Amino acid sequence: EAQVTQNPRYLITVTGKKLTVTCSQNMNHEYMSWYRQDPGLGLRQIYYSMNVEVTDKGDVPEGYKVSRKEKRNFPLILESPSPNQTSLYFCASSPTRLNNSPLHFGNGTRLTVT
Amino acid sequence: GIQVEQSPPDLILQEGANSTLRCNFPDSVNNLQWFHQNPWGQLINLFYIPSGTKQNGRLSATTVATERYSLLYISSSQTTDSGVYFCAVGRTSYDKVIFGPGTSLSVIP
Repeated sequence: EAQVTQNPRYLITVTGKKLTVTCSQNMNHEYMSWYRQDPGLGLRQIYYSMNVEVTDKGDVPEGYKVSRKEKRNFPLILESPSPNQTSLYFCASSPTRLNNSPLHFGNGTRLTVT
Repeated sequence: GIQVEQSPPDLILQEGANSTLRCNFPDSVNNLQWFHQNPWGQLINLFYIPSGTKQNGRLSATTVATERYSLLYISSSQTTDSGVYFCAVGRTSYDKVIFGPGTSLSVIP
């Protein structure tokens, strides 16, 4: 089944403890992206990747890192999480960088930083 | 920054009713998509519709790119249609995707 898989679905952690949220797609998509969703602020783009080894900042990249070492995986890394990073996170992918095809979203990761 | 507007912000429907949701977007973006976020938080792509009209079952969408708006039609609404509907736009190179604030729909039996 074609899908975008995020793990974990739920995560509670403490301030400063490094964590990684994984994202994997099995559709051979070139484009992958991370978003966070917060009440009143909607969905905002954190980072995106046009292809392997190509990543770029979205609108809210501070406090996050990403890597794209292989096409299928696009992990989101929080080196030193803080409470303001408590949010619902989504990974998404799309076949090409040309924006002529739909975004496919993972099921989300609800992160709480205490 | 780029602002995408959606209306209405909230909508309550009786089951079986029809509704129209609107998305306005500025000149600098295109490639509009509609998404449904269900009550469990999942985001489902409904339509990729940079222009023209598409239909999928009880849902259809129309984008008039020259006038910078898109409409999502829901006919014979069901309780499973409840959730938040987002439109999103991006530039051709897809480097940034911007979501509207959403329309929260509640369909009551």
